Amino acid sequence: KQEVTQIPAALSVPEGENLVLNCSFTDSAIYNLQWFRQDPGKGLTSLLLIQSSQREQTSGRLNASLDKSSGRSTLYIAASQPGDSATYLCAVRRGQGAQKLVFGQGTRLTINP
Amino acid sequence: GAVVSQHPSWVICKSGTSVKIECRSLDFQATTMFWYRQFPKQSLMLMATSNEGSKATYEQGVEKDKFLINHASLTLSTLTVTSAHPEDSSFYICSARRSSGPYNEQFFGPGTRLTVL
Repeated sequence: KQEVTQIPAALSVPEGENLVLNCSFTDSAIYNLQWFRQDPGKGLTSLLLIQSSQREQTSGRLNASLDKSSGRSTLYIAASQPGDSATYLCAVRRGQGAQKLVFGQGTRLTINP
Repeated sequence: GAVVSQHPSWVICKSGTSVKIECRSLDFQATTMFWYRQFPKQSLMLMATSNEGSKATYEQGVEKDKFLINHASLTLSTLTVTSAHPEDSSFYICSARRSSGPYNEQFFGPGTRLTVL
């Protein structure tokens, strides 16, 4: 059974710092991995999707890496801003035909002005 | 593109009544839609998966007679909470997966907060 773990559960950093959020998964046989952002009381916004054949994806100040063999992904946020404060969730899909995304518990990020 | 809407965004109802939540993919067709439930400060719990024109597949422990799901078209799925009770109060989020495109990316709605008095 696939399990997804995110560390740390919560993180607070001053504005302007670069930071890394971690995601690990127990079964390396994944099809893709997605990083999402969730603001309080809101739905999920897809940030980045990495296919199993890819090593990283970039969007603006965000960079997500994937090391499938070791079951790890990181989300790197450069030059953090207070507007980046949210909960960040990673989720994996087992196969192309697989219906389910398996979610981690999320990391609550607070950027202090 | 790839916008998913939910209606209503919040609802308060009395115990014993039924509540319907709509989920629409606004600019794409979704063969598959998902319904999640989220408790405060917890991750999403998948309740059921629905494919257009067929019966929904419910996760273990989810009562299908209580949470009725209908996926009548490629852009609309509904979740009806029947005979709601206070323990059904939660944040419900739907998600839609694009019919086209190579990566089966899922897009999420903004959520519906249900409060049962």
